[in-house]
Amino acid sequence: NAGVMQNPRHLVRRRGQEARLRCSPMKGHSHVYWYRQLPEEGLKFMVYLQKENIIDESGMPKERFSAEFPKEGPSILRIQQVVRGDSAAYFCASSPLAGSDNQPQHFGDGTRLSIL
Amino acid sequence: DQQVKQNSPSLSVQEGRISILNCDYTNSMFDYFLWYKKYPAEGPTFLISISSIKDKNEDGRFTVFLNKSAKHLSLHIVPSQPGDSAVYFCAASGGANNLFFGTGTRLTVIP
Repeated sequence: NAGVMQNPRHLVRRRGQEARLRCSPMKGHSHVYWYRQLPEEGLKFMVYLQKENIIDESGMPKERFSAEFPKEGPSILRIQQVVRGDSAAYFCASSPLAGSDNQPQHFGDGTRLSIL
Repeated sequence: DQQVKQNSPSLSVQEGRISILNCDYTNSMFDYFLWYKKYPAEGPTFLISISSIKDKNEDGRFTVFLNKSAKHLSLHIVPSQPGDSAVYFCAASGGANNLFFGTGTRLTVIP
């Protein structure tokens, strides 16, 4: 499967714990985007990364959330000290070029995060 | 601030007929528009896109129309098939790197 791979598909955490979500982009794609979807809502942009660089994090909450895309390995979205409001589906997308070049983003199947 | 709006949460259509899904946007800087299809427990799947320099783009049974003056786009599916039943999201971007999504329209195609 050469698509965008996200793991885990489901993640359950208790309040105060840390959540780590992983995303491997499609082969040949060097641009990664993270989105969050709350129930009955559309996807909301969080952060855009290239290898070793955060390009745009305008959608990321200022506290507890961080993202990285290291030279080797998947992109990681980290949520520290999770709260109930963090429960959502988190989707990763990738594209071969920057979004400004009118290339569609291709999405993974998401990680469903549940906070107890 | 919802910059991309899909005002119909749901739509039901008979198999073989045309499905028309609508989308409105408020930001005149948007220049690239996309439609995604989403099944439960899966990620959005890219369907079709259109650049603001065009007013129509067609791919098989799917056609997207763009009316820039009205800030409106629509997706036509003809003929509709039961396998088209899913949630359809409209998305837009404006030279930046992020997509703005609508809240989706649930399409049900009745056999």
